[in-house]
Amino acid sequence: QKEVEQDPGPLSVPEGAIVSLNCTYSNSAFQYFMWYRQYSRKGPELLMYTYSSGNKEDGRFTAQVDKSSKYISLFIRDSQPSDSATYLCAMSVSGNTPLVFGKGTRLSVIA
Amino acid sequence: KAGVTQTPRYLIKTRGQQVTLSCSPISGHRSVSWYQQTPGQGLQFLFEYFSETQRNKGNFPGRFSGRQFSNSRSEMNVSTLELGDSALYLCASSFTLGLAGGTGELFFGEGSRLTVL
Repeated sequence: QKEVEQDPGPLSVPEGAIVSLNCTYSNSAFQYFMWYRQYSRKGPELLMYTYSSGNKEDGRFTAQVDKSSKYISLFIRDSQPSDSATYLCAMSVSGNTPLVFGKGTRLSVIA
Repeated sequence: KAGVTQTPRYLIKTRGQQVTLSCSPISGHRSVSWYQQTPGQGLQFLFEYFSETQRNKGNFPGRFSGRQFSNSRSEMNVSTLELGDSALYLCASSFTLGLAGGTGELFFGEGSRLTVL
């Protein structure tokens, strides 16, 4: 079992839909949780960062962490075609340990 | 401000050859990490350098090596290439080691796409 599991999709939604992206993990020591977005032929870029449990909101994006269930989510409201990309979850045990990435979910938002 | 620059962007090698990839971090960033990205395994950590010292290493064979220079530029080398080494190799830089900066942000380059025939 991989440390971080993420459904690769692809996920296709109409413009304006609410998108839910999820990751599960097995290592209860993870404390830092991130979502990266990767456009085609580009490197990943940080979208959201959360330490420990709870919710964090930034514009149309909301990140949730449920450590008791070892489950993290990213919600995208009012999705736009420009949101079409691969979304990668990433986690780390401490500030000095490498990030462990999920395989990414490919999202297409259709106009 | 220039981003992370990786060269070459694309390259084709044959089995048994070796390859060297280069990464120039964002000016002022002292930490450089390398990741391998494949459709099957996703992003996997190779190693991290900070102030010319390897601070973390992933679970890859010894054929994968790297180094960092005094100007923070980094190179990674893969010797005796195998077909399975075909991948996108991503370099990421940050100001401090790991997530110590508190933002969790790694700045990635666009990658070097290696094809092994």
